Amino acid sequence: AQKITQTQPGMFVQEKEAVTLDCTYDTSDPSYGLFWYKQPSSGEMIFLIYQGSYDQQNATEGRYSLNFQKARKSANLVISASQLGDSAMYFCAMREKAGGFKTIFGAGTRLFVKA
Amino acid sequence: DSGVTQTPKHLITATGQRVTLRCSPRSGDLSVYWYQQSLDQGLQFLIQYYNGEERAKGNILERFSAQQFPDLHSELNLSSLELGDSALYFCASSVGKMGTSGTDTQYFGPGTRLTVL
Repeated sequence: AQKITQTQPGMFVQEKEAVTLDCTYDTSDPSYGLFWYKQPSSGEMIFLIYQGSYDQQNATEGRYSLNFQKARKSANLVISASQLGDSAMYFCAMREKAGGFKTIFGAGTRLFVKA
Repeated sequence: DSGVTQTPKHLITATGQRVTLRCSPRSGDLSVYWYQQSLDQGLQFLIQYYNGEERAKGNILERFSAQQFPDLHSELNLSSLELGDSALYFCASSVGKMGTSGTDTQYFGPGTRLTVL
């Protein structure tokens, strides 16, 4: 079964607008962590934000915030005030305690920021 | 710059050959992870080491092996290479201490792009 689902293969957003990248996950483990990574065209994987399953508040890191809805098993990434440099591939990932803390990545969403 | 280094950056070799990819983790990190990113399979976890010991295994082929040395650098050995092994291979490192929610953020190196001809 697909553990991490990113349903948007590609998205466009206007510069300075906010954008939400969707991520749903599947686990029965109460202990897990959710991560978002950015992969620009240069290829490196850049850590953006983390949310723990026991965290009461949504994580925020600068222009990035994670809309964590535990009951719906969703962990959407919100990028505010998009910049041209935000154009990249974005991956959602999950790490379960029961899975030996292996990290599973979604298929990714390619974001295009238009000037 | 994540602080994780990988060499070489690019590698071109022929089918049937063997190659070694090298990774140096961030200073202070005890865990090293290897991932394979290909167009058809996406980003796949291969294996994790913690302080020299294997901790978790993913979709790693028997032709592939890895180890972590006392100085904490790691090597991924790929043998009997096939065309399908062409991919971007990432190393990541983390402190290695798990919180209750599987925290312990992984920081990725720049990757080694392997092309098998």
